[in-house]
Amino acid sequence: QQQVRQSPQSLTVWEGETAILNCSYEDSTFNYFPWYQQFPGEGPALLISISSVSDKKEDGRFTIFFNKREKKLSLHITDSQPGDSATYFCAASETGFASALTFGSGTKVIVLP
Amino acid sequence: EAAVTQSPRNKVAVTGGKVTLSCNQTNNHNNMYWYRQDTGHGLRLIHYSYGAGSTEKGDIPDGYKASRPSQENFSLILELATPSQTSVYFCASGDTGRAGQLYFGEGSKLTVL
Repeated sequence: QQQVRQSPQSLTVWEGETAILNCSYEDSTFNYFPWYQQFPGEGPALLISISSVSDKKEDGRFTIFFNKREKKLSLHITDSQPGDSATYFCAASETGFASALTFGSGTKVIVLP
Repeated sequence: EAAVTQSPRNKVAVTGGKVTLSCNQTNNHNNMYWYRQDTGHGLRLIHYSYGAGSTEKGDIPDGYKASRPSQENFSLILELATPSQTSVYFCASGDTGRAGQLYFGEGSKLTVL
């Protein structure tokens, strides 16, 4: 069973547009939600994260919106740039000793110039 | 510079053979993780460790063993490799106090023929 779901699988936007990536989860014990960015041939790297006590987190052009009641979150990439072309993973964890992450299946974003 | 280094980066093995994937981290993190990445599945947790001498099963541990002989090193062992274990494997390290913030290596591509 997939505890963290992402949609769409892939997304193509033009440079300057806003890309919206969706994520949902099932386990109510999850309380920390990082997003990772992965370029081809590289390992994932932490992009931005939010805890369940917040409903919005902003970092430059990247914003997470979080709805705890519906168990949904989204990542908005405003003013998308070709360099943002990558695969984005939503992840979730409980506050725990080893903080193991459960990942979604990813959204591949292509930004056309 | 703090880093997670994996070896080998590419490996071709035969069915039934033994494979060892190695990971070294200079982050001085207590926690280390092994994930595999397959198209459509995102990253799935195989084994993780709280510190030297400890190993814990993740979500998909069957067919894999792990070893943490020191703070810096964490190995993933496939005693009897099967074609279904063909994948890209990522090692990561994380600090106990920083929930969900993992630092990934560049991955090891394993092909089992």
